[in-house]
Amino acid sequence: EVKLVESGGGLGQPGRSLRLSCVASGFTFDDHAMHWVRQAPGKGLEWVSGIGWNSGDIGYADSVKGRFTISRDNAKNSLYLQMNSLRPEDTAFYYCVKDINGYPSPRSAFDIWGQGTIVTVSS
Amino acid sequence: DIQMTQSPSSLSASIGDRITITCRASQTISGFLNWYQHKPGKAPKLLIYAASRLQRGVPSRFSGSASGTDFTLTINSLQPEDFASYYCQQSSSTPPLTFGGGTKVEIK
Repeated sequence: EVKLVESGGGLGQPGRSLRLSCVASGFTFDDHAMHWVRQAPGKGLEWVSGIGWNSGDIGYADSVKGRFTISRDNAKNSLYLQMNSLRPEDTAFYYCVKDINGYPSPRSAFDIWGQGTIVTVSS
Repeated sequence: DIQMTQSPSSLSASIGDRITITCRASQTISGFLNWYQHKPGKAPKLLIYAASRLQRGVPSRFSGSASGTDFTLTINSLQPEDFASYYCQQSSSTPPLTFGGGTKVEIK
């Protein structure tokens, strides 16, 4: 079964850090780009960041650029999101997502999503 | 960045209805447009990629089409399990991979 399982969410204080993790199973992890997508309460989906199969082609949404860092460990079938300088507007459900493509490109589409992990930023 | 304007933001429909949801790109995206379904408490699901290609396992009542910078998701014969939110996403220009604002489909 193809699966993505996120962890690491929870309550974070403004200005502090959290690290999200995602473990993949059921597919060849290092054949695919991976992404983080979030949904704030009552809002729509927002792409946060993406990374190519070989840790190249990294991109970020303007809203998180300079504060969040995406990384992956293909040996551990794992994707990470280091979230620094947290803001209340980072409060959201965060989804780990598999790309059908090996790197973020016009042919990208997100075919497998995790169940998500919730991040709440509040003092 | 490319903006995706999705309409309507919500609609009410009955079982068996045919509905259409539209996304307009702020510039040409050459057919690099995906559609997702999202139900509360569940992971989003890829329905259509590259504007009109049906994802494996998605019922054939779902279809996608394109005309210039306008893209349409059509659901023929709406079923109870189709009541959900739907999002378009452009992948032509990355980053960012922009989503539309979403359309909530509710039971009339």
